[in-house]
Amino acid sequence: IVMTQSPATLSVSPGERATLSCRASQTVSSNLAWYQQKPGQAPRLLIYGASTRATGIPARFSGSGSGTEFTLSISSLQSEDFAVYYCQQYNYWPALAFGGGTKVEIK
Amino acid sequence: EVQLLESGGTLVQPGGSLRLSCAASGLTFSSHAMSWVRQAPGKGLEWVSAISASGGSTYYADSVKGRFTISRDNSMNTLSLQMNSLRAEDTAVYYCAKDPGITGMTRHFDDWGQGTLVTVSS
Repeated sequence: IVMTQSPATLSVSPGERATLSCRASQTVSSNLAWYQQKPGQAPRLLIYGASTRATGIPARFSGSGSGTEFTLSISSLQSEDFAVYYCQQYNYWPALAFGGGTKVEIK
Repeated sequence: EVQLLESGGTLVQPGGSLRLSCAASGLTFSSHAMSWVRQAPGKGLEWVSAISASGGSTYYADSVKGRFTISRDNSMNTLSLQMNSLRAEDTAVYYCAKDPGITGMTRHFDDWGQGTLVTVSS
């Protein structure tokens, strides 16, 4: 299964909304997670089950979608939100797969 | 607070072997499945291997099957990855990652270590 994220790079001004997309080559139901990774750091779980925020994740992060099309939205981008975001499907086991990532950069 | 601390990464020649370890604290280690996830320099994330909470079941990505072996010692709160027949394409930061499921596997990861770098080169 292939996970495709778009765009590869998203330029956004602080305070604006960012919308990231993730597409699966086959349906993954709602078995999708989103991670944030900053330079030199490990990934951090943001969303699982396509739309459930992980513990401690601010409400400005929201996930939606099911089947093959998923979206991560970040309302009102803060400086600490500029990072690379990865989606991961966990419907097919043991063929876990991550998307190629979307870099959110300051416009 | 959950802490996962990887060690063992170094420079190794193609065809060589290496053993990575991950020391876990701040959790009931024996209740959680664990995985190794790697990231080649400047690239994305790739799941490598997983082991059930008890250690009775192991899983591998096709890219490492037959070359890597995952194991755990629940008495020592330690996860390991034995890597044999290493190739240049195995060069990456290797992260250990915890599955949040209690005894079962959710197959996503809520805690990660900081990673250890493995470089395969002559």
